[in-house]
Amino acid sequence: KQEVTQIPAALSVPEGENLVLNCSFTDSAIYNLQWFRQDPGKGLTSLLLIQSSQREQTSGRLNASLDKSSGRSTLYIAASQPGDSATYLCAVRGLGGSEKLVFGKGTKLTVNP
Amino acid sequence: GAVVSQHPSRVICKSGTSVKIECRSLDFQATTMFWYRQFPKQSLMLMATSNEGSKATYEQGVEKDKFLINHASLTLSTLTVTSAHPEDSSFYICSASDGGTQYFGPGTRLLVL
Repeated sequence: KQEVTQIPAALSVPEGENLVLNCSFTDSAIYNLQWFRQDPGKGLTSLLLIQSSQREQTSGRLNASLDKSSGRSTLYIAASQPGDSATYLCAVRGLGGSEKLVFGKGTKLTVNP
Repeated sequence: GAVVSQHPSRVICKSGTSVKIECRSLDFQATTMFWYRQFPKQSLMLMATSNEGSKATYEQGVEKDKFLINHASLTLSTLTVTSAHPEDSSFYICSASDGGTQYFGPGTRLLVL
């Protein structure tokens, strides 16, 4: 059974700092991995999706990497801003045609002005 | 594009009543819709997968008679929480898939008194 773990559970940084969020998964047989952002009481916004054959994806100040063999992914946020404050969720989709996603508990990020 | 709506966004009800939550894909046809539940500081847990015109597939531990899912069209799925109890209070999020990507709704906050 796939399990997804995110470390740390919470992170507080000053504005402008570069930071890394970590995600690990127990079963490396994945189809893709996705990073989401969730604001309090809101739904999910997809940030980056990495296919199993890819090593990284970039969008603006965000860069996500994937090391499938070791079951790890990182989300790098450059020059953090107060508007980046949110919970970041990692989710993996397994092989076999199912679209089911298994989520981690998330990392709550606070960027202080 | 790819917008998913949920209604209502928030509902408070008395214990024993039934609550219906709607999930709509506004600008695309969703072959599959998913229902998730999220308790405070926990990850999203998949409750069930529904395909238009067929019975939903429930995850282990989810009572199908308590959480009724109807997927009557390619743009609408409903989740009915029957005889709701305080322990059903949670954040319910749906997602709709176009066959490749899941798009998430904004969520429904349910509070059962």
